[in-house]
Amino acid sequence: EPEVTQTPSHQVTQMGQEVILRCVPISNHLYFYWYRQILGQKVEFLVSFYNNEISEKSEIFDDQFSVERPDGSNFTLKIRSTKLEDSAMYFCASSEGGVANEKLFFGSGTQLSVL
Amino acid sequence: AQTVTQSQPEMSVQEAETVTLSCTYDTSESDYYLFWYKQPPSRQMILVIRQEAYKQQNATENRFSVNFQKAAKSFSLKISDSQLGDAAMYFCAYTVVTGNQFYFGTGTSLTVIP
Repeated sequence: EPEVTQTPSHQVTQMGQEVILRCVPISNHLYFYWYRQILGQKVEFLVSFYNNEISEKSEIFDDQFSVERPDGSNFTLKIRSTKLEDSAMYFCASSEGGVANEKLFFGSGTQLSVL
Repeated sequence: AQTVTQSQPEMSVQEAETVTLSCTYDTSESDYYLFWYKQPPSRQMILVIRQEAYKQQNATENRFSVNFQKAAKSFSLKISDSQLGDAAMYFCAYTVVTGNQFYFGTGTSLTVIP
């Protein structure tokens, strides 16, 4: 079965540094998402992306966050100036159609640790 | 506000037995979807089963079935003939038909005892 791949699997960074989390969605998928899970807490929606623009974002997704699809295959999440509370598992996901009507495929996540 | 509650942080089941994981949700929407996702140690989130709110019939996928009680806003997952490979974190999730995001519960960690 096709997979969403995320790199790196672990990322350690210093507070205030910029990080870029990378994702390769499934090739024929049109909708892309980022979710995060702080340890012991629920998985939270960050942003959805369709047709090269953000279609929906949560309150968490403030000006420190940005997403980009720099080429035909990658989908990135950038955090400009990381804070301690950004430490979490970040999941990328993709779907062929809108989230309710199609199966959502998740990657294995990137564990971000901000020191 | 849409919320999803999983009141059982941990559950265990004997291999070959049946276990039920609970999930309740709160919404004012009438048209929505409910999901159960499995997260094994590999950390990948895998869709287990999906239920459309407009369907009265409970969804089934092989050994996995749900008990969907719309009036009670309850959506439990039953795993029959539990296998060692079922051991994982299970997340209940909800989305509105017109939405782009899932709302997840906090998860239930399932242990399967050989």
